[in-house]
Amino acid sequence: DAGVTQSPTHLIKTRGQQVTLRCSPKSGHDTVSWYQQALGQGPQFIFQYYEEEERQRGNFPDRFSGHQFPNYSSELNVNALLLGDSALYLCASDTDGQISGANVLTFGAGSRLTVL
Amino acid sequence: GIQVEQSPPDLILQEGANSTLRCNFSDSVNNLQWFHQNPWGQLINLFYIPSGTKQNGRLSATTVATERYSLLYISSSQTTDSGVYFCAVVISGGYNKLIFGAGTRLAVHP
Repeated sequence: DAGVTQSPTHLIKTRGQQVTLRCSPKSGHDTVSWYQQALGQGPQFIFQYYEEEERQRGNFPDRFSGHQFPNYSSELNVNALLLGDSALYLCASDTDGQISGANVLTFGAGSRLTVL
Repeated sequence: GIQVEQSPPDLILQEGANSTLRCNFSDSVNNLQWFHQNPWGQLINLFYIPSGTKQNGRLSATTVATERYSLLYISSSQTTDSGVYFCAVVISGGYNKLIFGAGTRLAVHP
C-alpha cells in the first residue's frame, strides 16, 4: 500500500519563476494538506483541499495556490518565487469529515525547493 | 492563535541513555501528535495522543490535556533515534490543520 508520494524530490529555481509540486495521497484518503518547512523550523500549514476545493488556508500570500483533482491528487503552485520560498514542501493526506481532527495525518517525503 | 512550545531545543545523548521531551500548548486541543523527522526529511507519526498514555516499544507518550502539556519518553536510546522530534496539535474546528512546535533536535552518539 503506497503512502503519500510527492514529486519532484528536489528542484532549483530562480527568483521570479513559477513552480508546481505534485502529491498523490495515501490510498483511501481524500483530503490533502500542504505544509512549508523552512530550514530549522517546524512545518507551517499552507492550505487544505477536500472535494477539489480549498477548505482552509494558513497565513500565506496569494502567490501560493493549489488544486485537487477528482482522483484526490493535488498540486501546489508558487508564482513569482522569492528567495524566502526556499524550503521543504510537505504534503499530507487523511480521510475527511473529522472536524474534531481525530484522524492521523500521513506525510510524504517532501519536495525540497531551492530558489537562487 | 495557539502557541506550541517544545523543550529542550537540542539534546545530545550517549547510546543507551533515557530522555524526556516536553510539549506545552497554550489552549485546549482536539488532537496531539508526535512526529519524528529523519535526516532525509520524512515525518513519521509516532503517537496520536490527545490525552492519556501510550507506549510503543522504547517510546512512550503522555498527554495531560487539562494542564496543556505532553511528554515523549525515549528509553535506551539508539543512534537511529537521532533526528528532530515535533509535537503538533489541532484545535477545535481545525479540520485536522496541524500546528507544529519548533522541534527538539536529538543526536544520539555511539
